[in-house]
Amino acid sequence: DSGVTQTPKHLITATGQRVTLRCSPRSGDLSVYWYQQSLDQGLQFLIQYYNGEERAKGNILERFSAQQFPDLHSELNLSSLELGDSALYFCASSVPTGSGANVLTFGAGSRLTVL
Amino acid sequence: AQSVTQLGSHVSVSEGALVLLRCNYSSSVPPYLFWYVQYPNQGLQLLLKYTSAATLVKGINGFEAEFKKSETSFHLTKPSAHMSDAAEYFCAVSSGNTPLVFGKGTRLSVIA
Repeated sequence: DSGVTQTPKHLITATGQRVTLRCSPRSGDLSVYWYQQSLDQGLQFLIQYYNGEERAKGNILERFSAQQFPDLHSELNLSSLELGDSALYFCASSVPTGSGANVLTFGAGSRLTVL
Repeated sequence: AQSVTQLGSHVSVSEGALVLLRCNYSSSVPPYLFWYVQYPNQGLQLLLKYTSAATLVKGINGFEAEFKKSETSFHLTKPSAHMSDAAEYFCAVSSGNTPLVFGKGTRLSVIA
């Protein structure tokens, strides 16, 4: 158990629908990252939050949004789902280290299947 | 922009043989480099990291990697493969303030 909790583990839905993925970071970690893993694109960075504020944005579609709440848990909202959104979505958390090399701790992922 | 290239999407070795997984990076600033491992149906676990200290980095499960600036490489090695090493391995780069950029991954198969 990495300490990063993601729910749900599996989700099957239809095109056009909206889903919410939830992540609880490891205790003490202030940063939360979302990554999308697919066979063709590999691991793609979506977005990062630090202590409730958006810190960095990657290849996140406009149909996707995220937020980090005061208790530091984060949610990734995916709307108007398309077949191509089927993927494994990972959440990771970190605490800034003195060396500047932030080590990410990953959750087990949420597997989204869009039919 | 930073990037990582992992040579070989699939590597197969015999049990007891040397494991060598190749990673080359591109970064305009001194990089921080990482190797992560992903076992089936699990998240990514940190194997080791390079943070500008010793160029030879030792990680968990007998793995190590050597940072070679002149070759912009950070190859992962293990002297003797074990069946339990079969997994997907990802090399990643960061400048410290930027999120990790991952390579496409290399699937390691270990043959008995």
